Amino acid sequence: AQKVTQAQTEISVVEKEDVTLDCVYETRDTTYYLFWYKQPPSGELVFLIRRNSFDEQNEISGRYSWNFQKSTSSFNFTITASQVVDSAVYFCALSEANRDDKIIFGKGTRLHILP
Amino acid sequence: DAMVIQNPRYQVTQFGKPVTLSCSQTLNHNVMYWYQQKSSQAPKLLFHYYDKDFNNEADTPDNFQSRRPNTSFCFLDIRSPGLGDAAMYLCATSRVTGLTNEKLFFGSGTQLSVL
Repeated sequence: AQKVTQAQTEISVVEKEDVTLDCVYETRDTTYYLFWYKQPPSGELVFLIRRNSFDEQNEISGRYSWNFQKSTSSFNFTITASQVVDSAVYFCALSEANRDDKIIFGKGTRLHILP
Repeated sequence: DAMVIQNPRYQVTQFGKPVTLSCSQTLNHNVMYWYQQKSSQAPKLLFHYYDKDFNNEADTPDNFQSRRPNTSFCFLDIRSPGLGDAAMYLCATSRVTGLTNEKLFFGSGTQLSVL
């Protein structure tokens, strides 16, 4: 069964600080996909990244970076030099290849960036 | 331009009065999803259509039904809404090829209130 755990329910940091959001997943598949979504106060979920299980290379996109480690079943997300606009709820999600039409979300981490 | 459109943005219904939420997409994606999201919780998958194939989650109440008359449209019917059904309902689409799920595109959601 697939499962996504985001142990941090809420985080507050001061603007310009770096912050890491944790995501741990469980799956029996060897082929799977991991996602991060952002949900700002407006409510619409915005796609950030998709990573397949065979690609453990870390990725950087501007101030965002992702650290995928299969050995610990983790897919952590770091925001560098945080900004107030980064305040949102961030969801990690998992899709298994044998059920690649189904995406399951973690409970989310609410991030507050304080000015 | 919005690619996944949900109407209405806010819906108020009475306890026990059937209600239908609508979703349309311009992406020509083969998979459409309905998620329920209650306050401060993760989106919970209710069901999804893989083309015309309906996939119901085991814990989705019978009170919830769905229709997909064509590729572009998908409806969520709540036959007898209870107070516990008040939530944000999110429609999403995805292009799934059988080998990979690219990502979910979400609509802005319909916030359902039950009086």
